[in-house]
Amino acid sequence: DTAVSQTPKYLVTQMGNDKSIKCEQNLGHDTMYWYKQDSKKFLKIMFSYNNKELIINETVPNRFSPKSPDKAHLNLHINSLELGDSAVYFCASSEGKNIQYFGAGTRLSVL
Amino acid sequence: QKEVEQDPGPLSVPEGAIVSLNCTYSNSAFQYFMWYRQYSRKGPELLMYTYSSGNKEDGRFTAQVDKSSKYISLFIRDSQPSDSATYLCAMSAGSGYSTLTFGKGTMLLVSP
Repeated sequence: DTAVSQTPKYLVTQMGNDKSIKCEQNLGHDTMYWYKQDSKKFLKIMFSYNNKELIINETVPNRFSPKSPDKAHLNLHINSLELGDSAVYFCASSEGKNIQYFGAGTRLSVL
Repeated sequence: QKEVEQDPGPLSVPEGAIVSLNCTYSNSAFQYFMWYRQYSRKGPELLMYTYSSGNKEDGRFTAQVDKSSKYISLFIRDSQPSDSATYLCAMSAGSGYSTLTFGKGTMLLVSP
């Protein structure tokens, strides 16, 4: 059983489209995160939710909207996709505030 | 100055070598230090976790933290081709809902 699972693994879409990425964790953790890893492999936090409440919102365009229907799920919706949004998006979860467990990533390509 | 500095490599070593990977940081509030391993096209996988200064050993891996120098290291003994991956250091202050700050990762290549 995969601890943190993301779907889809690959997403290829046109500029201007709206897309969603889903994340689920079966670890019973309270906190979930979205990270963006750019072409230079730099991992940067985007959002963090604790028990369905937004606790961290880094400087991210408001085209990106996270949604947490329950503490095991954190989805990411992206409106009006741009070329610069092409990256790998990772979901993660943690029990405390420090040790985070990552999903396999969603590779987004915007054409 | 970036908060966490890490040489991107690549670092190429022969099988069996001892590997040393390092990060420096500027934020003296960091107390929790982690090393993640990321294989190509996979998610980061937690390798080692250390709180405050000191050493921690797990099999072939040893993590060291020197808070006075703001310097952390990961040593890999008897390196194997399967160790070829990108190694990311990460750290946090651990107060409130602090986030992890990652280094850019060092790519390690272990040749047979």
